[in-house]
Amino acid sequence: DTAVSQTPKYLVTQMGNDKSIKCEQNLGHDTMYWYKQDSKKFLKIMFSYNNKELIINETVPNRFSPKSPDKAHLNLHINSLELGDSAVYFCASSQLNEQFFGPGTRLTVL
Amino acid sequence: GNSVTQMEGPVTLSEEAFLTINCTYTATGYPSLFWYVQYPGEGLQLLLKATKADDKGSNKGFEATYRKETTSFHLEKGSVQVSDSAVYFCALSISDYKLSFGAGTTVTVRA
Repeated sequence: DTAVSQTPKYLVTQMGNDKSIKCEQNLGHDTMYWYKQDSKKFLKIMFSYNNKELIINETVPNRFSPKSPDKAHLNLHINSLELGDSAVYFCASSQLNEQFFGPGTRLTVL
Repeated sequence: GNSVTQMEGPVTLSEEAFLTINCTYTATGYPSLFWYVQYPGEGLQLLLKATKADDKGSNKGFEATYRKETTSFHLEKGSVQVSDSAVYFCALSISDYKLSFGAGTTVTVRA
């Protein structure tokens, strides 16, 4: 009964490819997020959705497109992958101001 | 804008040593303050929080007090264990939708 789950856990791909990461939460939360963590552990918010509506978009390249089919899911699609996209991507959800994080997806672009 | 500055690591300690990680913040309004911990290979977990001035958050032997006068929320533990080795993030939230994180401090505890 994982609270926030992400798939896949690891993703290795070539530059120029398109890939998706999926996220699901079973906490009944209204708000979900995507974060990017770089190799120095710096954590940066990318997107936030509340009840399937986009509320935060932190100047992320438009190659990144989040999609929220329902309140429990927030997927991240990335087009034309670049070397600099290599990172760990975390999904999170929240109710009020406490966030719960998924285990992360390590994306490696070769 | 809102921001968090925390002490740079890495920090290496022996078991049973005292740990302090400094965190200061800049915020418009009255933020809630958090410490998150990331164990190797895992996502972040909430360690403790405080929502108003002078509140003390505590969990697993860790404590932090919300000091409005010094805009600080320093994390402390009196006697660390090897299992406390992790990356620690200080964070603040003004709204319900956005956390601003510090850069993270890597702590390694040696037996």
